[in-house]
Amino acid sequence: GEDVEQSLFLSVREGDSSVINCTYTDSSSTYLYWYKQEPGAGLQLLTYIFSNMDMKQDQRLTVLLNKKDKHLSLRIADTQTGDSAIYFCAESYYNTDKLIFGTGTRLQVFP
Amino acid sequence: EAGVAQSPRYKIIEKRQSVAFWCNPISGHATLYWYQQILGQGPKLLIQFQNNGVVDDSQLPKDRFSAERLKGVDSTLKIQPAKLEDSAVYLCASVRGDTQYFGPGTRLTVL
Repeated sequence: GEDVEQSLFLSVREGDSSVINCTYTDSSSTYLYWYKQEPGAGLQLLTYIFSNMDMKQDQRLTVLLNKKDKHLSLRIADTQTGDSAIYFCAESYYNTDKLIFGTGTRLQVFP
Repeated sequence: EAGVAQSPRYKIIEKRQSVAFWCNPISGHATLYWYQQILGQGPKLLIQFQNNGVVDDSQLPKDRFSAERLKGVDSTLKIQPAKLEDSAVYLCASVRGDTQYFGPGTRLTVL
């Protein structure tokens, strides 16, 4: 069955880079997404990558995709305290627009 | 543009009671999803609507959960009767292109 896995916690110092990792199972996924969830809020789309791309950069965010290993990562440069949140990766299910979410990685940024 | 609206934001009920959640998607978005997010987990799809028709309700526990989107705009999700394990955040999302936009969710606590 489909399964998207993430590490549960990541703690970084303010100003450092953060790298959040995700492994997925559906090789037919068209898009892979990163969402951010702050306490008490819904999910905010951060960025997404098309499956035929290896990398996508958007300001402080860099997404790397390794299709062979089914590995997705999100790098946040110059991490700020406002980046503290839970980050979810998601894959589209069997080339549809349904999403399968990972368990989420809680990012804590300390001064 | 206005985002996805959900109400109420919080609800506390006793087991075996009934509860209903409301979602108003972004104007013009034909596809609408309901997700259940249990504490510490990623969102899990419950049901998908396209306009006022159900596309996929295979993950919806139909013995107690029901949902409708009568005029193809607003949607309601109902639980009757509620169980303790239904305690979760219920998220609504609407879709434009390949992107899902999430509402803030309704946090349900069943005592």
